[in-house]
Amino acid sequence: EPEVTQTPSHQVTQMGQEVILRCVPISNHLYFYWYRQILGQKVEFLVSFYNNEISEKSEIFDDQFSVERPDGSNFTLKIRSTKLEDSAMYFCASSEVGKGSYEQYFGPGTRLTVT
Amino acid sequence: KQEVTQIPAALSVPEGENLVLNCSFTDSAIYNLQWFRQDPGKGLTSLLLIQSSQREQTSGRLNASLDKSSGRSTLYIAASQPGDSATYLCAVETGYSTLTFGKGTMLLVSP
Repeated sequence: EPEVTQTPSHQVTQMGQEVILRCVPISNHLYFYWYRQILGQKVEFLVSFYNNEISEKSEIFDDQFSVERPDGSNFTLKIRSTKLEDSAMYFCASSEVGKGSYEQYFGPGTRLTVT
Repeated sequence: KQEVTQIPAALSVPEGENLVLNCSFTDSAIYNLQWFRQDPGKGLTSLLLIQSSQREQTSGRLNASLDKSSGRSTLYIAASQPGDSATYLCAVETGYSTLTFGKGTMLLVSP
């Protein structure tokens, strides 16, 4: 069964460094998403992406964050200058269509630890 | 702003029991509601999706209902098994393909 994959599974970085989290969505899906979950807290929406541009973004997704689909398969989340509070599990998700038509499928997550 | 609440926060039952997990949301203008399962340190596995026009969905031992007007959903698990132990998350999709999650119900099923 097709699945969303994410790399790396765990990333440790120092405060102020740039990190890139990678995701390979399910191949026939058109909408891509990033969510994060700080330890012990709710899963929070960051950004949605469709047709090579951001569709929606939350208040969390500030200028430190960016997303890109550099080729036909990968979808990346870049954090330019990491802060301690960026430590969280980051989930990528994809769906065939957006806006309520199809369910979102999540990857296993990347645990980001900022020291 | 949409808020999603799940009750109870934790639930411990013996194997074989039928159980109900509750989810409520403040804004009834949703496109759909999705139930997920999350194992410790792992990703989210989609269990059921109910579109806003539907009242319920079933998958195996799972049945989810939706009462959009009252802002409530329930996930019914029949004949629980130890392998059902996990955190169950409810999420609603409001406009623009964004999911708003509850904090989850942590379920422990004892043999």
